[in-house]
Amino acid sequence: GAVVSQHPSRVICKSGTSVKIECRSLDFQATTMFWYRQFPKQSLMLMATSNEGSKATYEQGVEKDKFLINHASLTLSTLTVTSAHPEDSSFYICSERGKGNQPQHFGDGTRLSIL
Amino acid sequence: LAKTTQPISMDSYEGQEVNITCSHNNIATNDYITWYQQFPSQGPRFIIQGYKTKVTNEVASLFIPADRKSSTLSLPRVSLSDTAVYYCLVNNAGKSTFGDGTTLTVKP
Repeated sequence: GAVVSQHPSRVICKSGTSVKIECRSLDFQATTMFWYRQFPKQSLMLMATSNEGSKATYEQGVEKDKFLINHASLTLSTLTVTSAHPEDSSFYICSERGKGNQPQHFGDGTRLSIL
Repeated sequence: LAKTTQPISMDSYEGQEVNITCSHNNIATNDYITWYQQFPSQGPRFIIQGYKTKVTNEVASLFIPADRKSSTLSLPRVSLSDTAVYYCLVNNAGKSTFGDGTTLTVKP
């Protein structure tokens, strides 16, 4: 069964709105989660690594003040796209880091459309 | 992070075996090789993972030569529903960088 639950699956909102995406670990062991962004017909691009109880680590070129990550518990990491604009429209996907050499498990993604 | 290279696209027909090869020349000693399948507007779904030689599960086989600089995902008797993008990743219990993936199109 699913290990990671991501919500909402789709968001459509006006420019300037802040949008929060939730990523829940169903096995309550998410010490580390990853956030990806995927544009149409492109591969997944890692945005940041979310660590439980500490600050997220952002990849080069990703604005930390634009994409706020909170990971306060072993079950939940959130990504907030602040003051979203049309260019932020994309498919956002979270994943839970595997234990030891176990593979990552991904959420079903969130389709964000900014009008 | 090790970079991976795969063919951009492949076509096949229902019932055929499909082999997708991935190159990862800079794979590190502790890296595992993992393959994922992604359908449009869905998150990647785990297919198979291996370290060396051959791994087989209920949906696929993974062949890894001794030098581990490449790997081949084998899908037996594909169906139309196997049309998807397939990604090869190398990782060591941490973050993974996705390559461009291989778009597999299965035709009737």
